[in-house]
Amino acid sequence: NAGVMQNPRHLVRRRGQEARLRCSPMKGHSHVYWYRQLPEEGLKFMVYLQKENIIDESGMPKERFSAEFPKEGPSILRIQQVVRGDSAAYFCASSPSGARPGADTQYFGPGTRLTVL
Amino acid sequence: GDSVTQMEGPVTLSEEAFLTINCTYTATGYPSLFWYVQYPGEGLQLLLKATKADDKGSNKGFEATYRKETTSFHLEKGSVQVSDSAVYFCALTTTGANSKLTFGKGITLSVRP
Repeated sequence: NAGVMQNPRHLVRRRGQEARLRCSPMKGHSHVYWYRQLPEEGLKFMVYLQKENIIDESGMPKERFSAEFPKEGPSILRIQQVVRGDSAAYFCASSPSGARPGADTQYFGPGTRLTVL
Repeated sequence: GDSVTQMEGPVTLSEEAFLTINCTYTATGYPSLFWYVQYPGEGLQLLLKATKADDKGSNKGFEATYRKETTSFHLEKGSVQVSDSAVYFCALTTTGANSKLTFGKGITLSVRP
């Protein structure tokens, strides 16, 4: 059973460009979470999605950031007009539905390290 | 709001030394508690968890006991190895299944031969 997959692993963008980060959850998992890890800090929650629904986006910056989890395909975290302060590691996690054992546990992908020049 | 406080780091130990990493929390309701480990250049791996008071989570020689009276979840290992060198994060969720994790800042452990 493959784990959570993220791509790309490393992404370099110039200021003003767009960044698209992809996350494929573990097989059988229908819940996806995105977290951001700034240098020398812990992970901060950004958004929680189920298929075609945003459940909690309380950690998302109000502008330039958006996320989706379509019916088919991976979850996408999109950052428009990137700035240097967006440089961070972005981690995706997934979990099974609340009705299944272990639903309180999130499994993390390897992360995408975004560098904004 | 919910928060997790970890002891300041980094921590450097000799191989076979005893390890304690402190973690305390503030939460509404009854949180589930987790320790995650992050090896260099990798994502987070679940190390252990506890879902109710007095539960003990254990894995790979690491243990942590959910102490409701002191709101703590300290991580311990009796004899560390060089391969345990990593960043350790304490975290919680407060509504059980499918809810966001709140993390501590993490602490870097270096184990020297």
